[in-house]
Amino acid sequence: AQTVTQSQPEMSVQEAETVTLSCTYDTSESDYYLFWYKQPPSRQMILVIRQEAYKQQNATENRFSVNFQKAAKSFSLKISDSQLGDAAMYFCAYRSATNFGNEKLTFGTGTRLTIIP
Amino acid sequence: DGGITQSPKYLFRKEGQNVTLSCEQNLNHDAMYWYRQDPGQGLRLIYYSQIVNDFQKGDIAEGYSVSREKKESFPLTVTSAQKNPTAFYLCASSFSGRGNEQFFGPGTRLTVL
Repeated sequence: AQTVTQSQPEMSVQEAETVTLSCTYDTSESDYYLFWYKQPPSRQMILVIRQEAYKQQNATENRFSVNFQKAAKSFSLKISDSQLGDAAMYFCAYRSATNFGNEKLTFGTGTRLTIIP
Repeated sequence: DGGITQSPKYLFRKEGQNVTLSCEQNLNHDAMYWYRQDPGQGLRLIYYSQIVNDFQKGDIAEGYSVSREKKESFPLTVTSAQKNPTAFYLCASSFSGRGNEQFFGPGTRLTVL
């Protein structure tokens, strides 16, 4: 079974600075997807960024980028120019790409990000 | 507006009562999912359904039941057999296929008194 580990329960960053959230995972598969979801105080889950394991290029979405290290099974999220609206819980998630019909997400325990004005 | 609706937002029930949480989507998604969120444990999958009239157990299905009679609807029943039902419940849906994004509803907070 796959597992996802987020070792930082809480992080804080000064507004306009850069912060990196860590995520490691364990899997025996070679084809999969990794995701970062954001959950603000409203508790609505919002997809931040997605990475396909067979793509070597790191995904980027505006101020959000990932550092995907497949061999190390590491998938960190970098938030540049942090804004007050970035304050939220961030969840790392894994999804198999090889088992059609079993497309569930496996989540980490989350990192609570605080933005300091 | 397209999206996923969950009702009610807050739900209170007495211990020993069954309760049904609603989830409806108008995104024409094939697959629907139920997750449970507890403090410090992230989200865990309860049940999922890829097509109408078919569903599969997730990691923590004990004490829960679902039905999928319509593509748009995937209600979750929390039965009296669920030992610790107080939690935040999230419904999600997606198109089937490689890496398709799961969209989440706003959630239901269930408190069992």
